[in-house]
Amino acid sequence: AQTVTQSQPEMSVQEAETVTLSCTYDTSESNYYLFWYKQPPSRQMILVIRQEAYKQQNATENRFSVNFQKAAKSFSLKISDSQLGDTAMYFCARSTSGTYKYIFGTGTRLKVLA
Amino acid sequence: DVKVTQSSRYLVKRTGEKVFLECVQDMDHENMFWYRQDPGLGLRLIYFSYDVKMKEKGDIPEGYSVSREKKERFSLILESASTNQTSMYLCASSWGVQGSYEQYFGPGTRLTVT
Repeated sequence: AQTVTQSQPEMSVQEAETVTLSCTYDTSESNYYLFWYKQPPSRQMILVIRQEAYKQQNATENRFSVNFQKAAKSFSLKISDSQLGDTAMYFCARSTSGTYKYIFGTGTRLKVLA
Repeated sequence: DVKVTQSSRYLVKRTGEKVFLECVQDMDHENMFWYRQDPGLGLRLIYFSYDVKMKEKGDIPEGYSVSREKKERFSLILESASTNQTSMYLCASSWGVQGSYEQYFGPGTRLTVT
């Protein structure tokens, strides 16, 4: 079965600290795309970061970076200098080769504490 | 900015009613998707469409149908609403082939069936 697993249903972090959200996935494909999405309370889901599996270099977007371990099928998200506005549900997702479908994890609810 | 809009933020319907959820995107995206989001289950794909009048079943299509008569509009239809269809419904769009690009999401419709 094609799955994306987020093993941390809830996490909290103090403002200005660093937190890492984990994501593992199952695939036999060699090329695919990985995504982290953020869904703030009562607001639209938006893309945080995107990684192409054939690229070795980890993607970075300002305070957000990923640790992509292709052999281990792991795609964790690191948030540095956490801010109150980072409080949200975070979803990990990957594309599926040969289809237009994406597979999502069950989400991690992150709360940033003042 | 890409904008994906959904016809209602909140909707309350009675069991057995026919329900229409509408989604419109303004960026000429080929692909459109309907998901339902439930706590602990993440996002589950109901239907998607990769072109006008083209549609494919997702993982949980039972009890739902869709319509895409124009490129910018994708409708989800609950033929006879049931209480187990109470959920948050998210529409998304994307362009490109085979999941290489991110999805843009609407604000969601929280549907309650009583």
